[in-house]
Amino acid sequence: GENVEQHPSTLSVQEGDSAVIKCTYSDSASNYFPWYKQELGKRPQLIIDIRSNVGEKKDQRIAVTLNKTAKHFSLHITETQPEDSAVYFCAANDYKLSFGAGTTVTVRA
Amino acid sequence: EAGVAQSPRYKIIEKRQSVAFWCNPISGHATLYWYQQILGQGPKLLIQFQNNGVVDDSQLPKDRFSAERLKGVDSTLKIQPAKLEDSAVYLCASSLDEKLFFGSGTQLSVL
Repeated sequence: GENVEQHPSTLSVQEGDSAVIKCTYSDSASNYFPWYKQELGKRPQLIIDIRSNVGEKKDQRIAVTLNKTAKHFSLHITETQPEDSAVYFCAANDYKLSFGAGTTVTVRA
Repeated sequence: EAGVAQSPRYKIIEKRQSVAFWCNPISGHATLYWYQQILGQGPKLLIQFQNNGVVDDSQLPKDRFSAERLKGVDSTLKIQPAKLEDSAVYLCASSLDEKLFFGSGTQLSVL
C-alpha cells in the first residue's frame, strides 16, 4: 500500500514569512494529493488538492506543487498569519487515501 | 449544506467494555469512511464503504472492531472489547468524488 512521509514534523515561522511542508509518496499509481488543515480539537478540513496531471495549483496564499518523477509534493503558504497556525496533513490516493503524520505549524506574531 | 454528523463527541470507558460510534454522512455521498487518529499521528483508514458494501477493511482489527452501514446512509462503528491502545479520535468522513469531508470525530478514552 501507499506510504506517505511528511517533513518537517514541526515548523515555526515569523508572521509574514513563508512556510513550506514537503511530502513523499511510494506508489507511482497515486493520482490525487490533497492537503488538510486541522486546528486544535477540530475536524480536518480540505484546503487544497492537486491531481497527477497538474504540476502546480494556487489558491490565494497557498499553493501546492507536484513532482511525479521524484514522487514528492509540497505545500507553500505565503505571508503567513496567526490563523495559519494548525496541523497540516498531506495525503496520497492510489486506491485509498493515506495520510502523512502531520506538520504542526506555529506562526509567531 | 449540512456536514458529516458524529456522536457522541466524547466517550470514556474502561478496558474490556464495549462502545459504539454513529455517523451520518453528507446527503448524497455514496462513500463513507471511518478513520482512527491517534494523538500526534495522521488519520488511519479503518474501513471504507461504497453505499452499503465494504470496499476496504484491511486495517480494521476484526477481532474487536466491527462496522456496518445499513441502507447505505448512516453507519456505526463498534469496539468490543476495548483496549487501552484504542484511545484515539474516531473520524467519520464521506465523499462524492475524491474530496473527503470529515465529521468532528469522537474522542475515545479507554482507562
